[in-house]
Amino acid sequence: ETGVTQSPTHLIKTRGQQVTLRCSSQSGHNTVSWYQQALGQGPQFIFQYYREEENGRGNFPPRFSGLQFPNYSSELNVNALELDDSALYLCASSQNREETQYFGPGTRLLVL
Amino acid sequence: AQRVTQPEKLLSVFKGAPVELKCNYSYSGSPELFWYVQYSRQRLQLLLRHISRESIKGFTADLNKGETSFHLKKPFAQEEDSAMYYCALRDFGNEKLTFGTGTRLTIIP
Repeated sequence: ETGVTQSPTHLIKTRGQQVTLRCSSQSGHNTVSWYQQALGQGPQFIFQYYREEENGRGNFPPRFSGLQFPNYSSELNVNALELDDSALYLCASSQNREETQYFGPGTRLLVL
Repeated sequence: AQRVTQPEKLLSVFKGAPVELKCNYSYSGSPELFWYVQYSRQRLQLLLRHISRESIKGFTADLNKGETSFHLKKPFAQEEDSAMYYCALRDFGNEKLTFGTGTRLTIIP
């Protein structure tokens, strides 16, 4: 059974650019949640996708958007990057919305 | 708004000594509480959740609704317990996990 994978592992962007991060959910999982983890902080919930629909959103501006595909993989898009967007972005998948979340290794984004 | 507080950023404990990682929460509904752990160079993984009432790797945690706490305990620390520990909360029926800032536990040989 393959676990949650994320790509790329690291990324450097400049302020104002746009970025797309990708997540492949664990086999049999239909739900993907995205988190932002700033240095020294715990993960912060961005949003969740369940069966290709957004199922809840944290306190993040609209320039953070996402997508879930029919195979339940997911993308996180961030437009107009700001310096404060520098963080580790974690993806977690689960069998259903309320089941245990299994985390990927994360994508480290640096905005210069 | 729901909130999770882990008052200790760093905790060092001698091998064989008892361990207690503190977690307090504020929430008015019916929370579901979790402990997640991240070992060096590994991904974040679930350690235990209060509804299962299990002991995992010798760790236990009891939900105390009166004190709004969910402290993680182990009677005898082992070197392999060194890791980053996060307490997290979720409302039943909700999708969002709210994490604390984490405690880095170091076991001194």
